[in-house]
Amino acid sequence: DGGITQSPKYLFRKEGQNVTLSCEQNLNHDAMYWYRQDPGQGLRLIYYSQIVNDFQKGDIAEGYSVSREKKESFPLTVTSAQKNPTAFYLCASSWDHGGMNTEAFFGQGTRLTVV
Amino acid sequence: AQTVTQSQPEMSVQEAETVTLSCTYDTSESDYYLFWYKQPPSRQMILVIRQEAYKQQNATENRFSVNFQKAAKSFSLKISDSQLGDAAMYFCACYGGSQGNLIFGKGTKLSVKP
Repeated sequence: DGGITQSPKYLFRKEGQNVTLSCEQNLNHDAMYWYRQDPGQGLRLIYYSQIVNDFQKGDIAEGYSVSREKKESFPLTVTSAQKNPTAFYLCASSWDHGGMNTEAFFGQGTRLTVV
Repeated sequence: AQTVTQSQPEMSVQEAETVTLSCTYDTSESDYYLFWYKQPPSRQMILVIRQEAYKQQNATENRFSVNFQKAAKSFSLKISDSQLGDAAMYFCACYGGSQGNLIFGKGTKLSVKP
């Protein structure tokens, strides 16, 4: 079945550590996105990528890094520079070609907690 | 930069009644798309309805319809015959064609009373 998979579902991080959240899709989608969700804040865009080996910062990129070495994969690293990383993280993908777009499909999310 | 504003943090509707959720947006794009997503307690995001900005006709999907006012940059969602399963967070989103980013509003929490 085609879909988008995030792992792990729950993640615990000690202060000062980097941690990587996985996002894989087999939908052959060009575009991929990472969002952070906090209560009352909606979904805030961290990074997005329209094509392999290229990505752009979203509204809250500080303290995060990404890579897009393969079309199927868009991992997000939460670095120690992110001062308040505890949140729910959502990955999404969409078909994106020449500005035409279908709806975004979302993964199940990763709940990150700093301990 | 694109922005999406949902001015109603919470809404409530009686079962079988109709409710309208508001959304305004701002974008410099000439070609863009608008979406409403539903997020139930499971936190799985589900597409409710989409609207291409170049289409004047309002999109409809069964009990869900939109009122798209392009000049006013307004994109409201109407839910008819509300059901208990409609209770969820609803997010409005805007996709900008040339920029390729997908921006969401802060959401509206909809409660449905039996």
